[in-house]
Amino acid sequence: GAGVSQTPSNKVTEKGKYVELRCDPISGHTALYWYRQSLGQGPEFLIYFQGTGAADDSGLPNDRFFAVRPEGSVSTLKIQRTERGDSAVYLCASSVSGEPGEAFFGQGTRLTVV
Amino acid sequence: DQQVKQNSPSLSVQEGRISILNCDYTNSMFDYFLWYKKYPAEGPTFLISISSIKDKNEDGRFTVFLNKSAKHLSLHIVPSQPGDSAVYFCAASQTYKYIFGTGTRLKVLA
Repeated sequence: GAGVSQTPSNKVTEKGKYVELRCDPISGHTALYWYRQSLGQGPEFLIYFQGTGAADDSGLPNDRFFAVRPEGSVSTLKIQRTERGDSAVYLCASSVSGEPGEAFFGQGTRLTVV
Repeated sequence: DQQVKQNSPSLSVQEGRISILNCDYTNSMFDYFLWYKKYPAEGPTFLISISSIKDKNEDGRFTVFLNKSAKHLSLHIVPSQPGDSAVYFCAASQTYKYIFGTGTRLKVLA
């Protein structure tokens, strides 16, 4: 596709449930990032992949959050035992490499935990 | 500790006039700065960037100024158009990780 694609666009889940959020980056982009944006805030870094490996997962808030990118393209962000505080827009971005430069963002997945 | 700050949550400007959005940062190790624009229900869209070795970068109606001694950057939009109405985020990076400000909502009045 032409841009970064995220599915689903919206996800409503009950507290305690497990959710998966998917990101399809721009073809050929080796770097992939997940960010989280809460209401009234800017996006906050969660994790960075270079190829298949998570080069930096220091932004993941706790061990309920996990992300994979098994083939170096599509990535899945997984959240276990969801809590109401996990409600936010989860943004995925990709770039050609990890070098400073513009990253292209998807439209985000709005997660609501009720 | 907020490393990137946008102290104006909102700004209103008349169509055709200049819009100036400001951003301050605290970490002198940042070497690349970007501005993103965000419409409701969409992801941030890249607008313009500047490397720390420069003090100005221009792209059409958009100009970014960087004052390293003051740790300050600004985005100038001239002339402003109603379609520019959006939330603008500045971001700073040292390597691959962006640190975003909280955004400024710009409203351009027709």
